[in-house]
Amino acid sequence: QLQLQESGPGLVKPSETLSLTCTVSGGSISSSSYYWGWIRQPPGKGLEWIGSIYYSGSTYYNPSLKSRVTISVDTSKNQFSLKLSSVTAADTAVYYCARHRSITMIVVVILDAFDIWGQGTMVTVSS
Amino acid sequence: QSALTQPASVSGSPGQSITISCTGTSSDVGSYNLVSWYQQHPGKAPKLMIYEVSKRPSGVFNRFSGSKSGNTASLTISGLQAEDEADYYCCSYAGSSTPVVFGGGTKLTVL
Repeated sequence: QLQLQESGPGLVKPSETLSLTCTVSGGSISSSSYYWGWIRQPPGKGLEWIGSIYYSGSTYYNPSLKSRVTISVDTSKNQFSLKLSSVTAADTAVYYCARHRSITMIVVVILDAFDIWGQGTMVTVSS
Repeated sequence: QSALTQPASVSGSPGQSITISCTGTSSDVGSYNLVSWYQQHPGKAPKLMIYEVSKRPSGVFNRFSGSKSGNTASLTISGLQAEDEADYYCCSYAGSSTPVVFGGGTKLTVL
């Protein structure tokens, strides 16, 4: 059974870079038809998609965060990672990783639903 | 402000049916049959309940159903149970430039 687990520091200082890793177990990150995504949820608020990556390295990012976000993949470790730079208190949130269903129509990739989620990890931005 | 609009809260009594709406635009909900719904209990990760407007993943009860009309998608829960009390979020594909948009979430209270 596929499982995802987030890991990384729970506390990050303002202006620094938030770094998280998601480890995939029980299956391969190199599966076709799936991207791998990051979603966050500030305390008491709704879900916000950050971005998603394919095992080949192809990425899609939320335009509102794109200038600060880098998502990468390491197929040898079955992991994908998130880096968010220049963080502020507004980046304080629970960060989730998830498997992201995708549909490829010739050369167009369409992103579908997040069907398996990690448990989430709380990241606080504070000095 | 979320891209998709959901009511902040809905409520219903056990055994009743409720419907949660999710209103988007012709650029997202209206253009693609790629609306998904997630259930989130307090302190837990979201769980996929409906994908591609009306499909249920394995293990999701058939009390949960989805539909779409124009720019508005809907999640209906029939035969409400106490364990259905949770937050519900809709999500839609919105094109290659902004592929994923979420609704603001709806808190379901089972009276």
